[in-house]
Amino acid sequence: NAGVTQTPKFQVLKTGQSMTLQCAQDMNHNSMYWYRQDPGMGLRLIYYSASEGTTDKGEVPNGYNVSRLNKREFSLRLESAAPSQTSVYFCASSELRANEKLFFGSGTQLSVL
Amino acid sequence: AQTVTQSQPEMSVQEAETVTLSCTYDTSESDYYLFWYKQPPSRQMILVIRQEAYKQQNATENRFSVNFQKAAKSFSLKISDSQLGDAAMYFCAYRSANQFYFGTGTSLTVIP
Repeated sequence: NAGVTQTPKFQVLKTGQSMTLQCAQDMNHNSMYWYRQDPGMGLRLIYYSASEGTTDKGEVPNGYNVSRLNKREFSLRLESAAPSQTSVYFCASSELRANEKLFFGSGTQLSVL
Repeated sequence: AQTVTQSQPEMSVQEAETVTLSCTYDTSESDYYLFWYKQPPSRQMILVIRQEAYKQQNATENRFSVNFQKAAKSFSLKISDSQLGDAAMYFCAYRSANQFYFGTGTSLTVIP
């Protein structure tokens, strides 16, 4: 069972470079999410997609864009990376049932130099 | 927006002892769900336990149990008979509709 797959697991960028984090889930979930995790800050929501064709900003959307390509895939793009975007990024998915948990990918460690 | 507060950045416990991790939240809603996630050094996020707000009975999963106080908006996690494998970061989370809100985490050390 693959669950939520995100790539890459590690990435080093130079300031100003762009990149896209890929995420795919095979559980037929409607909702998908991108979080960033920083020490002492917990997990903060960047963007989420409640269903295919919709995306909404979360708590910290500045500097990011997302695309819900289809029901399975939800990508996160950094157009011009900044050192403040050094973080661990998690993709997650969930069903719309209120008691359903979040299923997480394995995370991406991103360093921006 | 809902907020989730974990006031203990770090905790430690002797192996085989019991430890309680605290979590409070702020909400005006009456129907919601609460979760505890464990994040070991592998970085994987693992669900430990969940609680429905409409249920008065506290959830239990083997050595893990919660003390859910709805009026006080408190949701603490008790780990009994602590094991070395329990060492991890623990996150409290609140779900309302499609949104999940996380606390800042408590790092638990288990002392042999």
